[in-house]
Formats: sequence, structure tokens, C-alpha cells
Amino acid sequence: ETGVTQSPTHLIKTRGQQVTLRCSSQSGHNTVSWYQQALGQGPQFIFQYYREEENGRGNFPPRFSGLQFPNYSSELNVNALELDDSALYLCASSLATTSDVLDTQYFGPGTRLTVL
Amino acid sequence: QKEVEQNSGPLSVPEGAIASLNCTYSDRVSQSFFWYRQYSGKSPELIMSIYSNGDKEDGRFTAQLNKASQYVSLLIRDSQPSDSATYLCAVHLIATYGGSQGNLIFGKGTKLSVKP
Repeated sequence: ETGVTQSPTHLIKTRGQQVTLRCSSQSGHNTVSWYQQALGQGPQFIFQYYREEENGRGNFPPRFSGLQFPNYSSELNVNALELDDSALYLCASSLATTSDVLDTQYFGPGTRLTVL
Repeated sequence: QKEVEQNSGPLSVPEGAIASLNCTYSDRVSQSFFWYRQYSGKSPELIMSIYSNGDKEDGRFTAQLNKASQYVSLLIRDSQPSDSATYLCAVHLIATYGGSQGNLIFGKGTKLSVKP
């Protein structure tokens, strides 16, 4: 167990709808990163939050947005859902450092999103 | 485009054998490298992190890093059926903008099957 939790576990939505996924970071961690993992692929970086601000973003459109709260929990919001958004959504928490070495990211169990 | 390449497999080894998993990456400035194991339907779990050239051993697992060749590998000794999973290689992509930790770039994973 990593101490990172996500909700819900599974979600079914229809095309065009909006969805909010939630993540609670491991105690003491101040950084959360979100990844999308399509079937048969490795996780792809969506964005990262540090001290409640977006701190890096991958190649995802603006309809993917997020929030980080003072208690370091986080949300991923996706608007105007498309069929290709069907995937496992993973959040990972870590402790920010000032060096070029990346602290280990610990993953939550993920949310399986199906868009019909 | 920064990339991480892995042989997708499946790699099949008999129980008790050594499994060798390989990964190459394109970003020369990366300093942090990770191996994650992912069981079907589950989230990635960290096996090893490695930051310096050479070998790092942890139980039955040995990670090997060669930055000059941009190559990282994972050896699993005395393979067990419970080791059957997809192994993800992840490389730290250092951010080009200030303040960000950067993020992980994942390979597609190598599926390992250990036969009893």
C-alpha cells in the first residue's frame, strides 16, 4: 500500500459529459502528478501540481484541468468527454526536491473511466 | 520527442530462471530511472530506482544503468510465477521551465510470463 487513494474506482460516462476524479496524496507529500494509461500502453503524463499550482503539463488539451487543495488532495476534471478518453487514470504523489533527481512517485490504485 | 523504448514481449521464462528486461531512452540529461511492476488491472508499483551508473541490487532484483549508452535494465533472479506481470521502465524528464520537478516518461512495458 502506497498511502495514495483515488475515487471512484470505476466510472462510466457518455460522450460529451464531464467527469471529476479525486486523489488523496501520501502523508507528507506536496506534489501530485496525473497520468492517463490507455490499454496496452504505458502511463502518459497529463499534468503536475505543486503548492496548489499547475507545475508542468503534458500533451493534453485544455479540457483536461486540475486542482490541488491545501491538504494536498487533488482533482482531475475532464470536460466534453471523448471515446478516446477511456483509460485508467492514475495519480502519483511525491515530495518535491530542488535537485535534478526526481523523488519517487507513488501511484494510487487508479480510476477506470469508460466513455460510451 | 523524448522516448523510452522497451521490448513489449511477451518474455517467457521458466520458474527459477533469470529474467532480463531492457530499456533505452533518448533524453541524455535524465538522472533518475525507475522500474515499476504492474499486474493486470492494477496500478504500477515501484520495484527499483537507480540514479548512478552501475548495478543496484535489492533482493532478487538488480537494476543496471549505463548513461553513456542510455540504457537501463532489470534482472530478476530465481523468477517466480508471481513475478508474471508487465514491467514498466520510467525515465525522469527534467523540466525546461523553472520550479517544476519534471515528470516521468514511461515505456510501453514488457510483459513477463514465468512458467511453473
